[in-house]
Amino acid sequence: SQTIHQWPATLVQPVGSPLSLECTVEGTSNPNLYWYRQAAGRGLQLLFYSVGIGQISSEVPQNLSASRPQDRQFILSSKKLLLSDSGFYLCAWMRTGNNSPLHFGNGTRLTVT
Amino acid sequence: QKEVEQDPGPLSVPEGAIVSLNCTYSNSAFQYFMWYRQYSRKGPELLMYTYSSGNKEDGRFTAQVDKSSKYISLFIRDSQPSDSATYLCASKETSYDKVIFGPGTSLSVIP
Repeated sequence: SQTIHQWPATLVQPVGSPLSLECTVEGTSNPNLYWYRQAAGRGLQLLFYSVGIGQISSEVPQNLSASRPQDRQFILSSKKLLLSDSGFYLCAWMRTGNNSPLHFGNGTRLTVT
Repeated sequence: QKEVEQDPGPLSVPEGAIVSLNCTYSNSAFQYFMWYRQYSRKGPELLMYTYSSGNKEDGRFTAQVDKSSKYISLFIRDSQPSDSATYLCASKETSYDKVIFGPGTSLSVIP
């Protein structure tokens, strides 16, 4: 069976500090990978998605970036965090092809102080 | 106009009630429809996944899609306090890799 791991679960970082969130998927090959952000009481905002190693599509211009150095590894980064970067960050995967739903990790709660 | 709209609630029902959760969407190219349940401080959990119009039942949950009116519903029978969560609807096109979510409806089932 497939599993998705996301860490850390919670993170408190000062404004201006760097960020690195990591997500890995087990039990499948060549998945589509996604980073979403969920602000308090709001819906899911798609930040980045990737259909293959080194292939990143950005949905929202901001100070965040994403990388996919390996097939089942997806990393969300920032060089300098802003207060507005606070939120709940969710990694998700989808099997390649049309007939497949999205599966989420348990998220990282980021607070920028 | 947002692609997927959903009444945020909150919705409060007594235990045992039938719950109806609804979404509308604007993109006629959406073919796949999903419902997720999200508990506080957890990632969304897939509940139902349907293709095109029609009904799908899984235990106490029934998903219904009406493509002619661009309307998506989730029914929960014999609701339980453990059903208290935020419910998210989502849609995607056939040849598109992005899944679009509604804002979610907060549900409380009161014992």
